[in-house]
Amino acid sequence: TQLLEQSPQFLSIQEGENLTVYCNSSSVFSSLQWYRQEPGEGPVLLVTVVTGGEVKKLKRLTFQFGDARKDSSLHITAAQPGDTGLYLCAGETGANNLFFGTGTRLTVIP
Amino acid sequence: DVKVTQSSTYLVKRTGEKVFLECVQDMDHENMFWYRQDPGLGLRLIYFSYDVKMKEKGDIPEGYSVSREKKERFSLILESASTNQTSMYLCASSLPGVRTEAFFGQGTRLTVV
Repeated sequence: TQLLEQSPQFLSIQEGENLTVYCNSSSVFSSLQWYRQEPGEGPVLLVTVVTGGEVKKLKRLTFQFGDARKDSSLHITAAQPGDTGLYLCAGETGANNLFFGTGTRLTVIP
Repeated sequence: DVKVTQSSTYLVKRTGEKVFLECVQDMDHENMFWYRQDPGLGLRLIYFSYDVKMKEKGDIPEGYSVSREKKERFSLILESASTNQTSMYLCASSLPGVRTEAFFGQGTRLTVV
């Protein structure tokens, strides 16, 4: 079983602040996905990163895949209440093999 | 609009009962998955299926079985529910191959009393 540790587990910040969520593993992944889950719903894909060192931006969200493809980070600039949710990273080791991280629950206070 | 639909959002069952959780997808996806979600543990794979009548054990299959008689439907069965199976259960589907997006249902919160 692959282990993907996310930190922090919980994060509560004021609207307008910046934050970074980390996803770490000792395993190498062929790609890494980030999902966001809102209350009462299933996770929804935000982004997939594939190449070591890759950086992808989605409006105020910046995703980075580590050079060694073992870790990833999600940075949110000027957080909004609509960013509130559970953020999950998921590492892929091959076809049909997707391992989810432990999750980071973000609350953005207006 | 693509959809994965789970038959129940909330379910309360008694210890020892046989429980069926149903999942239907309308995207003609080959792959279907059942996950269990617990705080601090993320999503853990119970079973997955890559074709009709095919199934593979995930990380935590003990106490569970699955059925896939039709491509669009994947059922999770708790043969004899126990209190430690109280959890959120998520169904997902995807196309085969790598770097494919997993589409999730809304989840079923199961409480076993």
